[in-house]
Amino acid sequence: SQTIHQWPATLVQPVGSPLSLECTVEGTSNPNLYWYRQAAGRGLQLLFYSVGIGQISSEVPQNLSASRPQDRQFILSSKKLLLSDSGFYLCAWSQGLTYADTQYFGPGTRLTVL
Amino acid sequence: DQQVKQNSPSLSVQEGRISILNCDYTNSMFDYFLWYKKYPAEGPTFLISISSIKDKNEDGRFTVFLNKSAKHLSLHIVPSQPGDSAVYFCAASAEFTGKLIFGQGTTLQVKP
Repeated sequence: SQTIHQWPATLVQPVGSPLSLECTVEGTSNPNLYWYRQAAGRGLQLLFYSVGIGQISSEVPQNLSASRPQDRQFILSSKKLLLSDSGFYLCAWSQGLTYADTQYFGPGTRLTVL
Repeated sequence: DQQVKQNSPSLSVQEGRISILNCDYTNSMFDYFLWYKKYPAEGPTFLISISSIKDKNEDGRFTVFLNKSAKHLSLHIVPSQPGDSAVYFCAASAEFTGKLIFGQGTTLQVKP
């Protein structure tokens, strides 16, 4: 069966510090990978998605970037964190792009920027 | 521009009764709809989905209804149980985009 891991689970960082969140998927190959953010009291906003190694699509302009160095690894980064980057970050995967390919989410990372 | 809207931020229901969660969308290109359930500090869990070629899909206590003309979908939970208490998100996608657009979520509380 497939599993998705995210770490760290929680993170408290000062404004201006760098960020690296990691997501890995097991039990599948060539998944589509996604980064979402849930800000306080709001829905899930798609930040980045990737259909293959080195292929990253950005959905919203922001202070963050994503990379996919390996097939089942997805990394969310920032060079300098802003207060507005606080939120709950979720990684998800799906097998394809058709409507039958449900997205499955990891446990999330709670990021607090102080 | 909020393409998927859940206008009720919260809902409280008695155990054993029906819970009805609603969702509206604006993009007529959406052809696949999903409901996710989320507990605090956890990732969303997929519940049930429906494609635009259907108007109803049922899975145990969960039924999703789709009204394409009204651009409206709803999730019915019957009977509701205390363990159903969570935040419910509806999501929509257009085929082959691979992207989900989420609503803001509705917090369901089922009282014993």
